[in-house]
Amino acid sequence: GQQLNQSPQSMFIQEGEDVSMNCTSSSIFNTWLWYKQEPGEGPVLLIALYKAGELTSNGRLTAQFGITRKDSFLNISASIPSDVGIYFCAGQILGGNTPLVFGKGTRLSVIA
Amino acid sequence: NAGVTQTPKFQVLKTGQSMTLQCAQDMNHEYMSWYRQDPGMGLRLIHYSVGAGITDQGEVPNGYNVSRSTTEDFPLRLLSAAPSQTSVYFCASCWGADTDTQYFGPGTRLTVL
Repeated sequence: GQQLNQSPQSMFIQEGEDVSMNCTSSSIFNTWLWYKQEPGEGPVLLIALYKAGELTSNGRLTAQFGITRKDSFLNISASIPSDVGIYFCAGQILGGNTPLVFGKGTRLSVIA
Repeated sequence: NAGVTQTPKFQVLKTGQSMTLQCAQDMNHEYMSWYRQDPGMGLRLIHYSVGAGITDQGEVPNGYNVSRSTTEDFPLRLLSAAPSQTSVYFCASCWGADTDTQYFGPGTRLTVL
């Protein structure tokens, strides 16, 4: 099946630093999503992208849908301790109710 | 709204035992799904349902059964648990055509000895 390659696997950063993570695939996706998961909780949707080249922000978070439709990145600016968690990318090849494909996640640790 | 609820939160089984993981949502969502999450892995789809009476297999369906007799509930059954099924299980739901905006439950952590 389709696979998403997410990198880096983990990051340790200082509070206040900016963070960047990305997701790539050999397949073309019509939708890219970014989720955050905190310990003991289910993933929560952060940003959804629907069009190639689209750049969308949600507070300090910015995500882009790659022009080739095979990649996406997520940036977090001025990180704070509550940004700690695992960030997952997910893609959807077709629209409607086709299943999502998830990346393996980026574990973010923020050092105060 | 309670959103998506899952019970139990934790469960320990012996190999060969059976059990049902419960999932319920009160948002009148048509689409419901079950994922498993293993260390260092993303979420992998087990089974999903696009409405009451309709279910389909995901990426890793072996060893699991599902049914959807009501819109609200989507139980996941393990007929004969195996250590390889030790994982965290998440249920999710969304409006029929919006699988890109699924709401996830808090998860069930299952250990099979």
